[in-house]
Amino acid sequence: DGGITQSPKYLFRKEGQNVTLSCEQNLNHDAMYWYRQDPGQGLRLIYYSQIVNDFQKGDIAEGYSVSREKKESFPLTVTSAQKNPTAFYLCASSTFTTGRYTEAFFGQGTRLTVV
Amino acid sequence: KQEVTQIPAALSVPEGENLVLNCSFTDSAIYNLQWFRQDPGKGLTSLLLIQSSQREQTSGRLNASLDKSSGRSTLYIAASQPGDSATYLCAVRPGYTGFQKLVFGTGTRLLVSP
Repeated sequence: DGGITQSPKYLFRKEGQNVTLSCEQNLNHDAMYWYRQDPGQGLRLIYYSQIVNDFQKGDIAEGYSVSREKKESFPLTVTSAQKNPTAFYLCASSTFTTGRYTEAFFGQGTRLTVV
Repeated sequence: KQEVTQIPAALSVPEGENLVLNCSFTDSAIYNLQWFRQDPGKGLTSLLLIQSSQREQTSGRLNASLDKSSGRSTLYIAASQPGDSATYLCAVRPGYTGFQKLVFGTGTRLLVSP
């Protein structure tokens, strides 16, 4: 089945630690995204990548880093510089074909908690 | 800057009722608009995508309309069922500047009672 796989489902981070969230897609989509979701707020964009080896900051990139070495993979690292990392993280992908942007598809999310 | 608003924030209806969820956006220059469903603790499931040149899309009991000139979209759910209980999110892909990303509303939490 085609889709987006995020792992782990739950992640616990100690103060001062960096942690990496995995996102893999087999939809052959060019674009991938990372969003953060907090209670009572809409999804906010952290980083996005339109093609391999290229990515741009979203609205709340401070304290996060990404890489895009393969089309299928877009891991997100939450660094110790992110002061309030407890949130639900969602990865998405989409593509551009025949002159139109396609549907965006989302993974099942990773819930990160600082302990 | 594109902003998306969804009203109401929460809605409770009895089973079988037809209902309408609203989404408004501030800039009419969009590539497309997408409706999603989110169950508690889960990711987003795509329901319908409407391209900027389209007026509506239908899937089963769901019908989404788009009026770009007024900056509005509605999601119509016919004959609601308890299984429809979830949070419904709309997102727009801006045209021109910012087209690389989706801008989300804060959602409408729907509860359908048996």
